[in-house]
Amino acid sequence: KQEVTQIPAALSVPEGENLVLNCSFTDSAIYNLQWFRQDPGKGLTSLLLIQSSQREQTSGRLNASLDKSSGRSTLYIAASQPGDSATYLCAGANEKLTFGTGTRLTIIP
Amino acid sequence: GAGVSQSPRYKVAKRGQDVALRCDPISGHVSLFWYQQALGQGPEFLTYFQNEAQLDKSGLPSDRFFAERPEGSVSTLKIQRTQQEDSAVYLCASSLAPASGRAKSGTDTQYFGPGTRLTVL
Repeated sequence: KQEVTQIPAALSVPEGENLVLNCSFTDSAIYNLQWFRQDPGKGLTSLLLIQSSQREQTSGRLNASLDKSSGRSTLYIAASQPGDSATYLCAGANEKLTFGTGTRLTIIP
Repeated sequence: GAGVSQSPRYKVAKRGQDVALRCDPISGHVSLFWYQQALGQGPEFLTYFQNEAQLDKSGLPSDRFFAERPEGSVSTLKIQRTQQEDSAVYLCASSLAPASGRAKSGTDTQYFGPGTRLTVL
């Protein structure tokens, strides 16, 4: 059974800093690894999807990496902004999406 | 275009009542998923539809939970005889492509609705 862990559970950083969010998973037989953001009271917004054959994906200030052999993925956010404040969830896709519990990110203006 | 919509956004039920939660996926999306998100947790998979066919219901927590998508578009998640532990946010997601073979989660991006927050008193 896939288990996904995200550390830390919460993170606060000053505006403008670069930061890394961590995700680990136990079953490396994933089809893809996905990162989402969730704003309070809202659904999930897909940020990046990394296929199992890929090592990383980039979108604007976001870069996600995938290392299947070690069961790890990272989400790198460059030049953080207050609007980046949200909960970030990663999910491994096997027969279903298995989500971590998320990292609640606060960017301090 | 319109995204995934869900109704109602909030639902308060007394223990023992039946509730029905509606999901309108993006038009033309083949795959539809339901998830349950408890407070402070990530979403957990409940069930998956490909068009009108319910291909995976392994995540439904009990036989009080029932989902349908009779015409391959709108879906309804029904919970009978609600219990306090059913209190959660219920999320619906859709994706364009069918999930083939073992990859029931699909290799396609899932688009999520805003969820229905269910509170059982």
